[in-house]
Amino acid sequence: KAGVTQTPRYLIKTRGQQVTLSCSPISGHRSVSWYQQTPGQGLQFLFEYFSETQRNKGNFPGRFSGRQFSNSRSEMNVSTLELGDSALYLCASSWDRAVNEQFFGPGTRLTVL
Amino acid sequence: GIQVEQSPPDLILQEGANSTLRCNFSDSVNNLQWFHQNPWGQLINLFYIPSGTKQNGRLSATTVATERYSLLYISSSQTTDSGVYFCGGGFKTIFGAGTRLFVKA
Repeated sequence: KAGVTQTPRYLIKTRGQQVTLSCSPISGHRSVSWYQQTPGQGLQFLFEYFSETQRNKGNFPGRFSGRQFSNSRSEMNVSTLELGDSALYLCASSWDRAVNEQFFGPGTRLTVL
Repeated sequence: GIQVEQSPPDLILQEGANSTLRCNFSDSVNNLQWFHQNPWGQLINLFYIPSGTKQNGRLSATTVATERYSLLYISSSQTTDSGVYFCGGGFKTIFGAGTRLFVKA
């Protein structure tokens, strides 16, 4: 069974630009969650999508948004990039994050210059 | 919200030694997991352990849900065990700050 995949793996952007990251979950999983990892703040929950609906959201500004498609693939968008958005962005899939095991993808490393 | 504390923050072991990592959480968590983050950043699943005890080779974990803590045991450590270990769970999946483990050959 294929694992969680994320594209692209590396990305360099400049301040003010916007970026879209993609995550394909394990087949059959309906829950996709996104996390940001930085040296200063650690691993932080961004949001979760379940069956195309945002079910939970962390404490991030509205510049961070996402969506989920009918095939459970998810995209995360960050608009008006800031230097502080440089981070490793991880997505995880599960049958249902609240009560089941999550499996993480390899991550997208975003650098904002 | 839930807070998760991990200890120790850093750990250096000689190959072959045993260790115990601890995860305390401020409220009940019904989806606690332990992960190992490899040098490339990927989080590798170790245990999904809301309660009870599980073992997988040289690793085992115990969660005492009523006392809000979980322990990860590493026996006969190997250099490949080096990395950062995270525990996390909860309604919005809160992670601890991690334990950075270095195993010397």
